[in-house]
Amino acid sequence: QVQLRESGPGLVKPSETLSLTCTVSGGSISSYYWSWIRQPPGKGLEWIGYIYYSGSTNYNPSLKDRVTISVDTSRSQFSLKLSSVTAADTAVYYCARRGSKTGPHSYWGQGTLVTVSS
Amino acid sequence: EIVLTQSPGTLSLSPGERATLSCGASQSVTSSYLAWYQQKPGQAPRLLIYGASTRAAGIPDRFSGSGSGTDFTLNISRLEPEDFAVYYCQYYGTSPYTFGQGTKVEIK
Repeated sequence: QVQLRESGPGLVKPSETLSLTCTVSGGSISSYYWSWIRQPPGKGLEWIGYIYYSGSTNYNPSLKDRVTISVDTSRSQFSLKLSSVTAADTAVYYCARRGSKTGPHSYWGQGTLVTVSS
Repeated sequence: EIVLTQSPGTLSLSPGERATLSCGASQSVTSSYLAWYQQKPGQAPRLLIYGASTRAAGIPDRFSGSGSGTDFTLNISRLEPEDFAVYYCQYYGTSPYTFGQGTKVEIK
């Protein structure tokens, strides 16, 4: 059974860079699309972007200038960097897997709360 | 960008009743790329339906999806206690992959 686990700092200061890693276990990172999705407390879901195992990416235009997603297939990990964060970036961040470029998000991590505060 | 609007915001029902949740798209979309997720407090979303009407693995048959064009529906035929949760629709055909704002199904 595929499992995803997010890790990273739970507190980030305003204007700094949020960095999270998703570790994939129970399956290969190859041949799949890997997304980051976030959810502000008490609010809905926002897709941030995805990376294919080969390294190609697609970002939400609303965040594109601040987002970088990368992959390390040797470690079965992919990562999110979000720069110049503000309080509006406080959210639970989820990593998720898509079976194909046109597939739904079938597997999700449990999520990690990142708070932006000084 | 496709905007998805879910209605109602909250649905108050009793166990055993039927739930009908709606998801409207701002423009006609390919039904092949419409999904429904269930989210319980403190948990990640769980995929219920994809391709508008195909149940994901392990999803009970009381959940069914339908629709095309701009109007999509998730039906829960007989609510079980574990079905009280928030439900989101998502379009994943073209980037950005947007979600509806969610419908909360609560116990009446």
